[in-house]
Amino acid sequence: EVQLVESGGGLVQPGGSLRLSCAASGLSFSSSWMSWVRQAPGKGLEWVAYINKDGTENSYVDSVKGRFTISRDNTKNSLYLQMNTLRAEDTAVYYCARDRSYYGNGAFDSWGQGTMVTVSS
Amino acid sequence: QSALTQPASVSGSPGQSITISCTGTSRDVGTYNLVSWYQHHPGKAPKLMIYEGSKRPSGVSNRFSGSKSGNTASLTISGLQAEDEAHYHCCSYAGSSTLVFGGGTRLTVL
Repeated sequence: EVQLVESGGGLVQPGGSLRLSCAASGLSFSSSWMSWVRQAPGKGLEWVAYINKDGTENSYVDSVKGRFTISRDNTKNSLYLQMNTLRAEDTAVYYCARDRSYYGNGAFDSWGQGTMVTVSS
Repeated sequence: QSALTQPASVSGSPGQSITISCTGTSRDVGTYNLVSWYQHHPGKAPKLMIYEGSKRPSGVSNRFSGSKSGNTASLTISGLQAEDEAHYHCCSYAGSSTLVFGGGTRLTVL
């Protein structure tokens, strides 16, 4: 059974930092493009970042470029999102998701349950 | 990276068919046949229903189908059932390993 388990969310002040983690099991992690997707309260899903299979390529939504960094450790079957200079508009549930496609095209067939990040003073 | 446009809500009676539209631009939906659709029940993880425009993952009912015309993709659910009531989100590849989602559509089964 595929499992993606996020952790690291919480309450942080504007300008602060958080590091999210996603532990994967039951899938070929090192063969999968991975992403972070978020959902702000009352809003739709928003793609945040992508990382390729070996961690050598990544991409971001414009609103987080320069502030967020996606990374992975295939030896630990883990995905990370380092979030710096957090803003109120980053408040959301953050999901870890696995892309089933070869090159990463948005076909997320496995999702975690999400971890809540609240940015507030 | 502008969000795709979906209707805020749609509704239908059990047994009917409904279609949810997802309008993008020539930079995403119009260029790539890489639209996916997700079903999302509150408090649960999203579920992939359609990928690469019209493909269904194993285990997804054939009542769900996807299509595209120009800059607009569509999800059709036939034979509506009570358990189909959920939020539905479209997502399109937008080049350079980036994605864009729609705002989501709430489906109500009357």
